[in-house]
This record gives sequence, structure tokens and C-alpha cells, in this order.
Amino acid sequence: IVMTQSPDSLAVSLGERATINCRSSQSLLDRSNSKNYLAWYQQKPGQPPKLLVYWASTREFGVPDRFSGSGSGTDFTLTISSLQAEDVAVYYCQQYYRTIVTFGPGTKVDIK
Amino acid sequence: QVQLVESGGGVVQPGKSLTLSCSASGFAFKSHGMHWVRQAPGKGLEWVAGIWFDGSNTYYADSVKGRFTISRDNSMNTLFLQVDSLRGEDTARYYCARDRATDTGDYYFDSWGQGTQVIVSS
Repeated sequence: IVMTQSPDSLAVSLGERATINCRSSQSLLDRSNSKNYLAWYQQKPGQPPKLLVYWASTREFGVPDRFSGSGSGTDFTLTISSLQAEDVAVYYCQQYYRTIVTFGPGTKVDIK
Repeated sequence: QVQLVESGGGVVQPGKSLTLSCSASGFAFKSHGMHWVRQAPGKGLEWVAGIWFDGSNTYYADSVKGRFTISRDNSMNTLFLQVDSLRGEDTARYYCARDRATDTGDYYFDSWGQGTQVIVSS
């Protein structure tokens, strides 16, 4: 399954909304359990990735509620509702519908 | 708290082998699937291999299948990655990552180590 993300990078003013899109080459929705097998990660420079969202919209413990995931099937979105300075990072989506998991190429988020 | 510490990286010549280790603590290692994910310099994330909680099943990316072997020792809380026939494109930081779900896992990762650097160069 091939994952794509858009845009490659974006710059947003502090306090403004940032929206990152992720598309999969096939549906990530398992109709038997109504779950979308899609996760989002944040990676800051020099650090390992951090899990933000799984099952497309479930926020990981301790992740600020300004981060939200949405979407279903093949189209997904990560939204940062009010960008903070500490949110500068690269964001990756990842599908786990197949045991051979794949990541998107990443979206770099900066402050405008 | 969960801690994953990788080791074993270094500079190695093409065609040679290396064994990476990941020492786990702070959780029930024997209950979680574990994975290796790599990141080439300045590039994105690439999942490399995964192993079930009991070691009974393993999975590999096509790019490493037949050259890399993932294994685990639950008595020592340690994950391994045997990397053989190394190529220049294997140069990357190799991260050990824990599957958030227990048993066979769901293949998304809630804890990561700091990684170990592998450089393949003559």
C-alpha cells in the first residue's frame, strides 16, 4: 500500500490551523470492525517519532487536544487547531492495514 | 517508564554483516510485538521488520527480505536485527519500536528508542 501526503511542507502562523492530508492507494477501512488502520506520528529534529493518533482518529494518551485526526477509507487528515511553537516538526502518516506497514513521505510544518 | 535502548551500529563495509540489539525495560516485553524502523539521512521513515510477542511470526519489508533477520529473547528482554549483505542504501538510523497492542499486535508504534546509526561504506 502506497501512502502519499500533501503538502510536502507548510508554514502557518502561531495560533492558526495547520492541515495535513494523507492518501492511501487502497482503502484502510476494515468493514468488519469499522476501523481505519491509519496512524499519525510527529518527529522533531534529532528525536525519534512520537505517536499522535491511531485508528485514524484516536488521540494517544498525553497528546494535546489541538491535534485531531479524521477521515476514512483512503483519505485522511491531521489537523493542528492552533499551532504552537513546539509543533514545528515533520508529520508522518502510516498504514497498518497490511502487516507490511508503510509510511507516508512526511510533511514539514514550520512557523510563518 | 518504557525504555528502549538500541546498540550495535557502526561503520561497516558493503557485503558485511552486523547485529543490532534493543534492550527493553519498564514494560512486559514478552507481551508486545516489536519492530525495527529505519531512517536514511535526511529521509523519511521505512519500516524494516516486525516480530510477534512470542517470536512465532516475523515480517519483512521487500527491500530487506532475505538479508535481514529479526529475532527476540524474551528472557533477556532484548530484540535483535541481524543485517547481512549490507548495501549503501542500508545506511540509516535504525530504531527499535514497540507495538502499542499486545500479543500479535496492530503494527503501530507507541514507544521508540533513540536509534543506532549504521553507515555502510568502503
